[in-house]
Amino acid sequence: IAGITQAPTSQILAAGRRMTLRCTQDMRHNAMYWYRQDLGLGLRLIHYSNTAGTTGKGEVPDGYSVSRANTDDFPLTLASAVPSQTSVYFCASSEKGNGELFFGEGSRLTVL
Amino acid sequence: GENVEQHPSTLSVQEGDSAVIKCTYSDSASNYFPWYKQELGKRPQLIIDIRSNVGEKKDQRIAVTLNKTAKHFSLHITETQPEDSAVYFCAASSYGGSQGNLIFGKGTKLSVKP
Repeated sequence: IAGITQAPTSQILAAGRRMTLRCTQDMRHNAMYWYRQDLGLGLRLIHYSNTAGTTGKGEVPDGYSVSRANTDDFPLTLASAVPSQTSVYFCASSEKGNGELFFGEGSRLTVL
Repeated sequence: GENVEQHPSTLSVQEGDSAVIKCTYSDSASNYFPWYKQELGKRPQLIIDIRSNVGEKKDQRIAVTLNKTAKHFSLHITETQPEDSAVYFCAASSYGGSQGNLIFGKGTKLSVKP
């Protein structure tokens, strides 16, 4: 069982380019989340999805979009990357709200 | 929305000593308070959590206490070991039912010196 898988693990991107971070889980969890982790700022919620077909905005949603076409996949898209989006991005899932989050290994994104 | 403050940002202890990390939250409706441990270069992992219907929970050397009146909760690690060195994050969830969007504190880097 893979759990939750993110791709790519690392990426360098020119400013202005479009980028999609992929996230797939095989645990049939209802809820999925995207966090960004920056030094000194902890983990900040970007977007979330409580169930397939629904999404919501977190603490720092600007510049990002998500979709949840099915239970397993929750891609995060940067429409036009900017240097301030340089960060480590973690996808996570949980069976239900107010439950344990299972994190992916993270995607390190550098925007130049 | 919810706001979680975590202190201290760094903590250094000698092996065998205790470590305490404290968090406060703003939303009185929050009812779920987990703690995550993140070792260097790895993903965060849940180590213990507490819900608003209990005041304290223990799991071996780790304990969490909750004071809903004061809106703060703490992580206690006793008999610290070098492998406890990591960044610890507290979090609070301000929604019940099916929606549980955790808001994290900024983290505490714990260093346990042998």
